[in-house]
Formats: sequence, C-alpha cells, structure tokens
Amino acid sequence: DTEVTQTPKHLVMGMTNKKSLKCEQHMGHRAMYWYKQKAKKPPELMFVYSYEKLSINESVPSRFSPECPNSSLLNLHLHALQPEDSALYLCASSPQGYEQFFGPGTRLTVL
Amino acid sequence: KNEVEQSPQNLTAQEGEFITINCSYSVGISALHWLQQHPGGGIVSLFMLSSGKKKHGRLIATINIQEKHSSLHITASHPRDSAVYICAVQLRTGTASKLTFGTGTRLQVTL
Repeated sequence: DTEVTQTPKHLVMGMTNKKSLKCEQHMGHRAMYWYKQKAKKPPELMFVYSYEKLSINESVPSRFSPECPNSSLLNLHLHALQPEDSALYLCASSPQGYEQFFGPGTRLTVL
Repeated sequence: KNEVEQSPQNLTAQEGEFITINCSYSVGISALHWLQQHPGGGIVSLFMLSSGKKKHGRLIATINIQEKHSSLHITASHPRDSAVYICAVQLRTGTASKLTFGTGTRLQVTL
C-alpha cells in the first residue's frame, strides 16, 4: 500500500458543528503532516507529527485540534470554524528525511 | 520577498514543446522538491533533489546549490501535463521535514 488516504473527500459544516478529518497511511512513515490550501495558493503547513508526537504547530487557531492515535492514523478535529476556514485540507506523510507523500485532500466548506 | 520564487507564474505551450519552469530560493536547504497538482486537488511528488540532476520519463529536474536555483524541464509536452507545478524547499532533515512552498506555475498545454 503506497498511498495516503483521506476521508471524507468533501465536507460541508456549519459554524457550530464539530467534525473530524481523517488521514491514513500504511507505508510505515513516522512523520505526518496537515496542510491547508486556499484556492490558487500554495499549501500552508499547519501541524507536523513525528513518531506520534506533535513536533510543529504553525500557530494554528485552537479551533483546529490534531490527533495522532497511532503511527498510521492522523486526525484533524474541527470545532467552531469560520467561513474563512473553507479550504482544501491536505495530509502528507514521509519517511525520515525523504519526500512527502500527499493525500487527495478534503475540500471543506464552512457555512 | 518570498523565500521561494517561481517563474513564470503562468505558462501556455503547444503540444510537443519543451518547457522550463524555474525556482530560486534564498535560504539554506537540505533538499528541494518539485510537486504537481492537477485541478481538483491531489498533489504528486515528482522529484526530491539535493544536488545535480534527476530524470523520470519526460521530466528532468536540475539544481545548482551554489546559485540557489532549480529548474524543471518537460520534454515533448502533452495536454495531460497541464497542472500547477510547485517548487518547495526542505529546511531540515530528520524525521519530519518542513517544506516552504513557491507560489506555483500554472501550465496549460494545448493541442
């Protein structure tokens, strides 16, 4: 299995909802990443997990809460989001010091 | 000034043409990545370079560490090459790597 999967593909939520994005990889990669990408812009790094521990938080608002329950799974919990949080959320994983493998993304719309 | 600059921002080519996309960066890096993103989301890693040149099919990537410059070449371009090409620099090695992205080059290859 050489891919990163993300679910759901699309998500529409209200500002009072709580939802979660899921990312999974079975390549044995010990680093996993969350990125946010607005239309026609490059991805922006949000969080990095290394060996299931949070190693980088790029000053992301607390309404985004990451979780890494095991080495294959990465979640992003969403609560009280704003319309400007609507974006494509990309997950990636990498083996030590090597290229990142990206998932297809979850397109999030906040109403 | 962005740490990673790409040119051109937009590029239109006819099928069969030789294409060059350039990337310049201003920081010390451990590696440089070329990524491809088709409309609709998913990002594919094309190359990871720390020196010299790499070739994969019709794609060639080069890097000059002293001049802090990289190029991505596409030979015999085809409409399926139409995508956004993103240069990203890796700022450290280790288990987790942080990428800084360029703004992307939007390529359209016409028949």
